[in-house]
Amino acid sequence: EPEVTQTPSHQVTQMGQEVILRCVPISNHLYFYWYRQILGQKVEFLVSFYNNEISEKSEIFDDQFSVERPDGSNFTLKIRSTKLEDSAMYFCASKEDYSPLHFGNGTRLTVT
Amino acid sequence: SQQGEEDPQALSIQEGENATMNCSYKTSINNLQWYRQNSGRGLVHLILIRSNEREKHSGRLRVTLDTSKKSSSLLITASRAADTASYFCASGYSGGGADGLTFGKGTHLIIQP
Repeated sequence: EPEVTQTPSHQVTQMGQEVILRCVPISNHLYFYWYRQILGQKVEFLVSFYNNEISEKSEIFDDQFSVERPDGSNFTLKIRSTKLEDSAMYFCASKEDYSPLHFGNGTRLTVT
Repeated sequence: SQQGEEDPQALSIQEGENATMNCSYKTSINNLQWYRQNSGRGLVHLILIRSNEREKHSGRLRVTLDTSKKSSSLLITASRAADTASYFCASGYSGGGADGLTFGKGTHLIIQP
């Protein structure tokens, strides 16, 4: 069964550095998402992406964050000037129209 | 985005018993979905119920939806140790398009052998 894949599984970075989290959505899916989950907290919506542009973003998704679909397969989340509170699991998801979300296994980001 | 809030936050039962988790939401929805998350993994979709449905079954899962009370319940019958996980509800208002679902904190279910 096709699945959403995310790399790396764990990323450690120093405060103030930039990180890029990578995702390969399921190939025939049209909608792409990033969510994050701070340890022990709820899964928070960050952004949705369709037709090469952002469809919806939460108030968490400020100028520190950006997304890109640089080619036909990858979907990336860039976090600039990382802060300690950015430490979390970041999940990528994709879906077809009128279908449930398919999640990757996440990237654990640790900011030190 | 819509918001789901689950209760209880944690539930521990014996293997073989039924587990019931509840979810409430605040605004009008088109559908409500339940997801499961094993520790350290991504969320896995379990079942979707549309706003014009009242009950839906899938294997050992039964979901109900009461739009007048803005609530839903997930029942897992004959629980197994492998059902140990966190369960989240999320409500959607269109079903299609980029519908950014918002999840609650979930119910952490522990099945004791």
